[in-house]
Amino acid sequence: DAGVTQSPTHLIKTRGQQVTLRCSPKSGHDTVSWYQQALGQGPQFIFQYYEEEERQRGNFPDRFSGHQFPNYSSELNVNALLLGDSALYLCASSLRLTSGRPHEQYFGPGTRLTVT
Amino acid sequence: GQQVMQIPQYQHVQEGEDFTTYCNSSTTLSNIQWYKQRPGGHPVFLIQLVKSGEVKKQKRLTFQFGEAKKNSSLHITATQTTDVGTYFCAGFKAAGNKLTFGGGTRVLVKP
Repeated sequence: DAGVTQSPTHLIKTRGQQVTLRCSPKSGHDTVSWYQQALGQGPQFIFQYYEEEERQRGNFPDRFSGHQFPNYSSELNVNALLLGDSALYLCASSLRLTSGRPHEQYFGPGTRLTVT
Repeated sequence: GQQVMQIPQYQHVQEGEDFTTYCNSSTTLSNIQWYKQRPGGHPVFLIQLVKSGEVKKQKRLTFQFGEAKKNSSLHITATQTTDVGTYFCAGFKAAGNKLTFGGGTRVLVKP
């Protein structure tokens, strides 16, 4: 049973460009969350998807957008890249919220994005 | 907005010694989760605490949720080199429906 997979592993982009990161959740999971982790810091919540809709969003600008497909896989898109967008982007899958209680999140290996 | 802070930021421990890392939230939490991230790796779920004053143990790790549900702690006994990594707490507030991670405690073990 494959866990959470992400692609690509590493990516180098130039300021102003656009990037798309991909995530396949763990089998049986229907909820995908995206996080940005800068070096030496904790993961920062970007947004969460289930039933193909964005359900929650963190404090990130509209340059960050996403999508969830019918097979529960997800994409994170970032437009007009800034140097400060350089970070590890983590995808986490889980079961959806149950009775107000979150389930454990399974993280993928991440995509290391470098903006030059 | 909700803030979750962890102290200390770094913990240098002699192998075999005990230590505790603390997690404090600016608001009352519904649940708290703990994760461990090895160097170069990704966060791995350790445990979830739900009830006020709850204490859970996993071998040498003891997790506690504060009575007011605004703080939590992780205590590790007889530290081993396999304990190296960064430990994150993540708070969940029902109204927000999202996890907020602390900055982590980076643990280094001296053999």
